[in-house]
Parts: sequence; C-alpha cells; structure tokens
Amino acid sequence: AQSVTQPDIHITVSEGASLELRCNYSYGATPYLFWYVQSPGQGLQLLLKYFSGDTLVQGIKGFEAEFKRSQSSFNLRKPSVHWSDAAEYFCAVTLSNFGNEKLTFGTGTRLTIIP
Amino acid sequence: NAGVTQTPKFQVLKTGQSMTLQCAQDMNHEYMSWYRQDPGMGLRLIHYSVGAGITDQGEVPNGYNVSRSTTEDFPLRLLSAAPSQTSVYFCASGTLNQPQHFGDGTRLSIL
Repeated sequence: AQSVTQPDIHITVSEGASLELRCNYSYGATPYLFWYVQSPGQGLQLLLKYFSGDTLVQGIKGFEAEFKRSQSSFNLRKPSVHWSDAAEYFCAVTLSNFGNEKLTFGTGTRLTIIP
Repeated sequence: NAGVTQTPKFQVLKTGQSMTLQCAQDMNHEYMSWYRQDPGMGLRLIHYSVGAGITDQGEVPNGYNVSRSTTEDFPLRLLSAAPSQTSVYFCASGTLNQPQHFGDGTRLSIL
C-alpha cells in the first residue's frame, strides 16, 4: 500500500540552529510531493512542492527540500530556524497530476524551538 | 480573497444527531476534498470531487456523505454522528497541477 512516513514525531531545535525534517514515501511511481505547515489551531499552509525538474526546491519562509529518488525521500531543511517556525509539519504526496485532490499525509513532526 | 471557507468553526453534537459541514471556495477550482485530522494520524482523505456532479470516496468514507452540485460548494454530511467522528475536519480545493488550498478547519466533538 502507498504510504508516507515521517519518522520523527517531535523535534526540538535551538533558535538559530539548522533543521532537517525527514519524509519517506512508498509508491510505485514518482509522486508529487509537498510540505505543509500547521500552526496551533490553524489550517495548513503550503511551504513548497515538487512536481518535476530540479530536485532541490525552494519554498516560503526560507525552507527548502530535496527530492532523492534513490532514497524515496523528500526531506525539509532550513539553515537557521526562528522561534516563529515552531509548528507541526506535514509531508504529503499524491499520484494525481490533475488537482492533487487525493493527498496522502504523513503523521506529522512537531517542531519546538528553544531560545 | 476568501479562499476556502469552512463553517462552522466549532460544533458539539450528541451521538445520533446529523449535521452538515459547509465548505465554499471562490477560486473557481475544479477539485475539492475533505480530510479529517486526528492526533498522531495526520490527515486522512474522506471524500473528494473532481468537478460538479462528480464525487468519490477516499480512505475513510464510512459515516460521511458528500455532494457537489456547484463548483463552489462541497458540503460534508454526517447522517448519524458517532463519537469516533470527533475530529478536526479540513476542506481543500485545487486546480490542475496546483497544490491544494486548505480551509481553517471545523472542530467537531461528538458526545
């Protein structure tokens, strides 16, 4: 069955330190890949997406992610985190190249920032 | 721009009651979806639609009905609420080769 795995349930990082959130997927074909962020009590905001082309994609708020086909991974990175980055992060994938209406989500990684 | 609007934001129901969660989008998107979010489980797809008059089931459709009579609206119906349906519900809309936009969610408690 198709699945998305975010192995880290909770990560704590010091403000100003670098960040990497892991995402692995299990699909027969190359999926379309997304990272979303959710602040407490809020909806989901798209950070970045990968459809095709350059495997290193840039997103909003200084985030980037790299698609590695050989590892079935799409890890999210940020060189220097800010206190406002504290939130929950979701990796999502779809095989639908139409409206991405059938997203499969990982279980999320909660990010805590310490001063 | 309103984007994706979900109403109500909060709701408490008793077991067996019915209700409709509303979702409206003003971006003329063809594709709309409903997800539920439960702790430790991420978001799971309930139903989706690829256009007016066309709906299909997602991963967890049992206990929910949908219809899509217009492009703008995609209501989710709970016919007989159960405690297991306590969750946060998100509606999303999208268009060709574009990521989905999400609403702010409806927090539903079933007593």
